[in-house]
Amino acid sequence: GAGVSQSPSNKVTEKGKDVELRCDPISGHTALYWYRQSLGQGLEFLIYFQGNSAPDKSGLPSDRFSAERTGGSVSTLTIQRTQQEDSAVYLCASSHDRGPDTEAFFGQGTRLTVV
Amino acid sequence: GEDVEQSLFLSVREGDSSVINCTYTDSSSTYLYWYKQEPGAGLQLLTYIFSNMDMKQDQRLTVLLNKKDKHLSLRIADTQTGDSAIYFCAETYTGGFKTIFGAGTRLFVKA
Repeated sequence: GAGVSQSPSNKVTEKGKDVELRCDPISGHTALYWYRQSLGQGLEFLIYFQGNSAPDKSGLPSDRFSAERTGGSVSTLTIQRTQQEDSAVYLCASSHDRGPDTEAFFGQGTRLTVV
Repeated sequence: GEDVEQSLFLSVREGDSSVINCTYTDSSSTYLYWYKQEPGAGLQLLTYIFSNMDMKQDQRLTVLLNKKDKHLSLRIADTQTGDSAIYFCAETYTGGFKTIFGAGTRLFVKA
């Protein structure tokens, strides 16, 4: 597609359940980022992928959070045993490899509500 | 470590100029960005400046960079109600893999 696509756009889940959030980056973008935006908060960096590898996982808040990327394209962010504090908008972004043009293009986000 | 700070709120009257400020800690930043997030929408890149520039102007937007003080500002001339949004300052630094965002400044434009 023309832009970064995320699915689902909204997800309501019960506390303790696992959820998977999907991101389809712009074709050809080797860098992929996950961010979290909590209500009234700024963007919190979660993880970065370069191709299929994740050189920086420093932002993952706990071991309940994991992410993978396959084929240098689609990425999945998995949250296990969800907690209410996981409720947020999860944003995915992609960009060309590091270089002069490192503009990140964002998806619309997945709004996760844990009840 | 890397850190980007912004004030959380700014309120201006329609027609006035808005100035949104940002400070950052990493002196090796290469690109500094301003993103806009309108209610219910994703982030969109407004403008960016390379670290060897002091100023960049794009229509109603003026970006000023003070590398010595690690201070970045976004000036919106003739602010309109449609400019009401959250504005995020961000930096990408040399040798880094990620873009670091500030918490965002919520701009309120009063008619």
